[in-house]
Amino acid sequence: AAGVIQSPRHLIKEKRETATLKCYPIPRHDTVYWYQQGPGQDPQFLISFYEKMQSDKGSIPDRFSAQQFSDYHSELNMSSLELGDSALYFCASSLQDRDYNEQFFGPGTRLTVL
Amino acid sequence: KQEVTQIPAALSVPEGENLVLNCSFTDSAIYNLQWFRQDPGKGLTSLLLIQSSQREQTSGRLNASLDKSSGRSTLYIAASQPGDSATYLCAVPAYSGAGSYQLTFGKGTKLSVIP
Repeated sequence: AAGVIQSPRHLIKEKRETATLKCYPIPRHDTVYWYQQGPGQDPQFLISFYEKMQSDKGSIPDRFSAQQFSDYHSELNMSSLELGDSALYFCASSLQDRDYNEQFFGPGTRLTVL
Repeated sequence: KQEVTQIPAALSVPEGENLVLNCSFTDSAIYNLQWFRQDPGKGLTSLLLIQSSQREQTSGRLNASLDKSSGRSTLYIAASQPGDSATYLCAVPAYSGAGSYQLTFGKGTKLSVIP
């Protein structure tokens, strides 16, 4: 079965650079979520999209932005990178259903900021 | 604000033992609860989703239970194997409107199954 695809898998950037992370949800899933997991931490919600519209924002810095395109893939854009942005970034997708909105996660992008 | 707690933070058991992982949440008005497995540096694998109307959900050697009124869920793993070694996280969705059910995670239980 198709899974969530994320690219790149690993990314190394310098401070103050920009990074773009991509996510391809499971086909026919209408909702995409982005999460950030710092070292030894649990995943924290950043932002979500439902049917290509931003639906909610969590603890996402103003330096970050995201969008979902007509083919449902999503991109997380990160500017003015800081050392503290080093983390695993996950994308998850699901079907919109109140009781059964099982989220399926991609393998993540490991971002290292030097 | 929903808070999710998992106890213990780490657990070490000999191969073949049955074990229980615990998850508690502060707001009982949940739609469902999801259990995940995470290997070091890897993604999250969904193990089970148990809906608020269900009391149990089973998949192979895994059995999850849910008691909404007490704010608790347990993940039972039967006949543990070394390959079960991983961090197990539970998560509950919060609906914020406009179609978003973002998850709030516990900090996980790191399980080690000793051969």
